[in-house]
Amino acid sequence: QVQLVQSGAEVKKPGASVKVSCKASGYTFTGYYIHWVRQVPGQGLEWMGWINSNRGVTNYAPKFQGRVTLTRDTSISTAYLELTRLTFDDTAVYYCARGYDSGFVYENWFGPWGQGTLVTVSS
Amino acid sequence: EIVLTQSPATLSLSPGERATLACRASQSVNIYLAWYQQKPGQAPRLLIYDASNRATGIPARFSGSGSGTDFTLTISSLEPEDFAVYYCQQRSSRPLTFGPGTKVDIK
Repeated sequence: QVQLVQSGAEVKKPGASVKVSCKASGYTFTGYYIHWVRQVPGQGLEWMGWINSNRGVTNYAPKFQGRVTLTRDTSISTAYLELTRLTFDDTAVYYCARGYDSGFVYENWFGPWGQGTLVTVSS
Repeated sequence: EIVLTQSPATLSLSPGERATLACRASQSVNIYLAWYQQKPGQAPRLLIYDASNRATGIPARFSGSGSGTDFTLTISSLEPEDFAVYYCQQRSSRPLTFGPGTKVDIK
C-alpha cells in the first residue's frame, strides 16, 4: 500500500536548521509531487511548498521563500524538507503528502499523508 | 493569496444528526476546493476534491457542493467516528491555502 514515513521528532535551538525526511513506498516515487504542510500545535494547516519528484522542480509559499529547501533522492524514494533560521514560531508538526491519484493524478490535492514530524524550537 | 473562511468555528451535534459546514473563498476558486478531516494526533485525510468528488474509500454520507466562492460539506448522518476537525483547501492559485477549520464535536 502507499505509505509515507517521516523521520522522528527534532529539538532545535533558535537560528538553527532542521531537515525532515519523508520516505515513500508502494508507488512509483517519481510519478507524483510531494507537498509539505505544517501545523502549529492547536492551530490550522499551512502549505509550505511542493517538489516534482521526477524533475526536482520546486514551488514554495512566499512566506517560506528563502528559508525552505525541498529536495529528493530518487534512488531511495525519499523527499526532504530543510528549514533554516528557525524561530520559536517554527515549532510545529511538519507533514509530507503526496498528490492524490484517483486514476487521474491531481497534484495539488493531498493524499496520502505522512505521520508528521514534530519540530520543537527551544532555547 | 486566496483566503478561505470557514463557519461555524464549532458545530455541536449528536450522532445521527446532519452536519452542514461552510467554506467561503475571498475570490473565485471555480470548483478547485477540497475538504479534509483531521482527528486528534492524526494526519488529515482527503474527503472531497474538486468541490463534490468523494475520495477513494470515503463513505457516501459525506458530500460536497458549491462553486466560485461558496462551498458546503454535508455529513448526512453523523457517525461517532465523524467527530473531528474539517478543513477546506483551494488549489485554484498559489500559494495553496487552507481554511481555519470547523470542529464538529459531540453535543
